[in-house]
Amino acid sequence: GDSVTQMEGPVTLSEEACLTINCTYTATGYPSLFWYVQYPGEGLQLLLKATKADDKGSNKGFEATYRKETTSFHLEKGSVQVSDSAVYFCALTSTSGTYKYIFGTGTRLKVLA
Amino acid sequence: GAGVSQSPSNKVTEKGKDVELRCDPISGHTALYWYRQSLGQGLEFLIYFQGNSAPDKSGLPSDRFSAERTGGSVSTLTIQRTQQEDSAVYLCASSFGGEKLFFGSGTQLSVL
Repeated sequence: GDSVTQMEGPVTLSEEACLTINCTYTATGYPSLFWYVQYPGEGLQLLLKATKADDKGSNKGFEATYRKETTSFHLEKGSVQVSDSAVYFCALTSTSGTYKYIFGTGTRLKVLA
Repeated sequence: GAGVSQSPSNKVTEKGKDVELRCDPISGHTALYWYRQSLGQGLEFLIYFQGNSAPDKSGLPSDRFSAERTGGSVSTLTIQRTQQEDSAVYLCASSFGGEKLFFGSGTQLSVL
C-alpha cells in the first residue's frame, strides 16, 4: 500500500542555518504531496503542497519539489528561525480511489537562538 | 464556529470503561478523518468518512473501536472497554474536495 517515510528527528539547528527534512513515498499512482506543521500547543496545519511531478510548493520560506523519479518531497529552508521550531509531517493522498491521507511519523525541529 | 471542534479536550478514564469522542467539522466539509497521535508514533489513520458513509475504516485497531457520522456533519468515535494502550491524542480533520485538511485541537485520552 501507499506509504510515507521521513527522516527521524529531532533535528537541532542554530538560527539562520539551512534545513532539509527528507521525505520519500511509495505509491502506485500519482498522489498529491503535502507538508503539514504542528507548532507547540497548536493543531496541525498545511504548510505547502504539490499536486503533480516537478511542482514546487512554497510557503513561509519553505520549499519542496515533487520528484517522481526519486519518489521524494524533501522540505527545505535556507535560513531557519526560532519560530520555525515545530514538528513537520510529510503526507500524501492515497491513490486507492479515496481521499485517504497517509502521514509520515513526523520530524521535530528545534532551532536555537 | 470557524474551525474543527473536538470535545472533550481531555478525557481520563479507567481501564475497561467506554469513551465517546466528538468531532464537529467545518460546515460544508464532506470529508471527515480520524487519526491517532501517540508519543513518537506520528499520525495513525483510523477511519475516513465521505458524507455519512465510511469508504475506508481500515485503520481501526480492533473491534473495540467504532465511529459514525450523522447528517453529514458531527462524528463520534467510540472506544469500548478501553485499554492503557489506547492512551493517545485523537485528532479529527475535515476537508472539502479531498485537498487541504483542517485539523481540530484533538482529544487527549488517558486510560488509567
